[in-house]
Amino acid sequence: EPEVTQTPSHQVTQMGQEVILRCVPISNHLYFYWYRQILGQKVEFLVSFYNNEISEKSEIFDDQFSVERPDGSNFTLKIRSTKLEDSAMYFCASSEARGLAGEQFFGPGTRLTVL
Amino acid sequence: GNSVTQMEGPVTLSEEAFLTINCTYTATGYPSLFWYVQYPGEGLQLLLKATKADDKGSNKGFEATYRKETTSFHLEKGSVQVSDSAVYFCAIAGGTSYGKLTFGQGTILTVHP
Repeated sequence: EPEVTQTPSHQVTQMGQEVILRCVPISNHLYFYWYRQILGQKVEFLVSFYNNEISEKSEIFDDQFSVERPDGSNFTLKIRSTKLEDSAMYFCASSEARGLAGEQFFGPGTRLTVL
Repeated sequence: GNSVTQMEGPVTLSEEAFLTINCTYTATGYPSLFWYVQYPGEGLQLLLKATKADDKGSNKGFEATYRKETTSFHLEKGSVQVSDSAVYFCAIAGGTSYGKLTFGQGTILTVHP
């Protein structure tokens, strides 16, 4: 059964460093998402991406964040200069269709720890 | 914007007990409603969904009914199993936010033999 994969499963970094979180969506899916969950808090939407551009982003997704689909299979989230408060579990998701018709399939997450 | 309020956890039950996890929402328009489940070490999986008022979503013995009058989507199961131990998330999509999911805070369910 096809699944969304994410690497690494756990990333530890120093404050101010750049990190790139990687995701491989399901191969025939066209819509891609990043969510995050700070420990003990809700899963929060960060950004959606379609046709090589951002469709929607939340207020969390500021200039420190960027997304890219560099090679047709990977979907990456870059945090340019990490802060302590970026420590969270980051989930990638993909869907075949947009909106209410498109079930989002989630990866297992990357736990980011900023020291 | 959309918001979801979900029953606080954790919830601990014995096997074969009845489960209810409450979920209420606020949204403009007519959102779709979802329950996702996360088993240890895995990603969120769609458990069930309902797209219009009075629809009942069901899967693996779990059920939830879209109640527009009470803006609720409570998750129920008549007889839980140890294998149901997981984190359950209520979520909505639609209204003013077409593609993104808005989640509740999640409820940890532990079922003992």
